[in-house]
Amino acid sequence: ELKVEQNPLFLSMQEGKNYTIYCNYSTTSDRLYWYRQDPGKSLESLFVLLSNGAVKQEGRLMASLDTKARLSTLHITAAVHDLSATYFCAVDRGVNNNDMRFGAGTRLTVKP
Amino acid sequence: NAGVTQTPKFQVLKTGQSMTLQCAQDMNHNSMYWYRQDPGMGLRLIYYSASEGTTDKGEVPNGYNVSRLNKREFSLRLESAAPSQTSVYFCASRFGASGGNTIYFGEGSWLTVV
Repeated sequence: ELKVEQNPLFLSMQEGKNYTIYCNYSTTSDRLYWYRQDPGKSLESLFVLLSNGAVKQEGRLMASLDTKARLSTLHITAAVHDLSATYFCAVDRGVNNNDMRFGAGTRLTVKP
Repeated sequence: NAGVTQTPKFQVLKTGQSMTLQCAQDMNHNSMYWYRQDPGMGLRLIYYSASEGTTDKGEVPNGYNVSRLNKREFSLRLESAAPSQTSVYFCASRFGASGGNTIYFGEGSWLTVV
């Protein structure tokens, strides 16, 4: 059974600080996705990582993928309040890799 | 830009009642999904449809049925609602898994079963 585990589940940080969210998964997948969800809202796509060693950056967020370790990281640089949200990682699984399974999410709060 | 549209947005049901959540996408996507979101548990896949004419169970299919009506529409039915089905339901779609296509989500349906 596929497991997608994120840690930490809750993260409170001050503006200007750096931090990393970790996503471990148990299947041999090379497709890893990161999403953001604001309170009461839907999910929006942040990154799609499709190969070992893939790295993508958007503003203060950088995501990477190590398929051999079955690990993805989401690094936050110099956090700002607007980054406060819940972040989810997700992995494709199944015979045709068509169903996507999500981690429990990391609720990030950035304080002034 | 409609994207993924799901209805209703809010619904209160009594235990034992039935209802259908409707979902439609206008992006010509092949694959469609129903997830439920509960506090602390992330999103759990209920059912998905890889392409028109096919449906498959996800992690938590018990108590639900689905219909892929056509390429655009994918409905979720609760035949006899239970309080444990109180949740936020998200419909989603994408072109398909090959090539690593991301999923696009609807706005969510808040369902309360009393």
